[in-house]
Amino acid sequence: GAGVSQSPRYKVAKRGQDVALRCDPISGHVSLFWYQQALGQGPEFLTYFQNEAQLDKSGLPSDRFFAERPEGSVSTLKIQRTQQEDSAVYLCASTETELSYNEQFFGPGTRLTVL
Amino acid sequence: GNSVTQMEGPVTLSEEAFLTINCTYTATGYPSLFWYVQYPGEGLQLLLKATKADDKGSNKGFEATYRKETTSFHLEKGSVQVSDSAVYFCALYNAGGTSYGKLTFGQGTILTVHP
Repeated sequence: GAGVSQSPRYKVAKRGQDVALRCDPISGHVSLFWYQQALGQGPEFLTYFQNEAQLDKSGLPSDRFFAERPEGSVSTLKIQRTQQEDSAVYLCASTETELSYNEQFFGPGTRLTVL
Repeated sequence: GNSVTQMEGPVTLSEEAFLTINCTYTATGYPSLFWYVQYPGEGLQLLLKATKADDKGSNKGFEATYRKETTSFHLEKGSVQVSDSAVYFCALYNAGGTSYGKLTFGQGTILTVHP
């Protein structure tokens, strides 16, 4: 595809359920970022992958959050035992190389609502 | 740490009005500065950037100048159009340490332009 895609676009979960959010980066892009965007706020960094290696997970808010990118392309963000405070838009972005700064291309996001 | 502060919104203008959205930042060293735009239903898109002091980024009639002395990167456009209605985010990237290219965003400013 031409851009970063994410699925599902919308997810409603009952508190305590596990959810999995998928990101398909631009083909061949080395770096992948996950951000969390609360309502009315700017995106906040969650975690970073360089190919399949998770090099920075300093932004993950709790051990209920887990991300993986096993083959260095598609990534999944998993949230276990969801809580209401997890309600947010989850954004994925990819960049072409691992160089210190490249333009980040963002997906449309997954809006998670926890009831 | 790094932080970005944007002017409170939302901003409502008539078509052809002059636009300013203020952005100030806190960071050590010499960050790169960005404006991203999010149109309804779409992902974040890079609007313009500046990588060193006194640089001016420009795109689609928008401009912003990197002012290190005032730690600011205000976004301006001389004549807005209805199609400019979107959410605008100021962001920075600081290469220090193990930042891996992650962005720090402001809270966003909603712009609505009326005909």
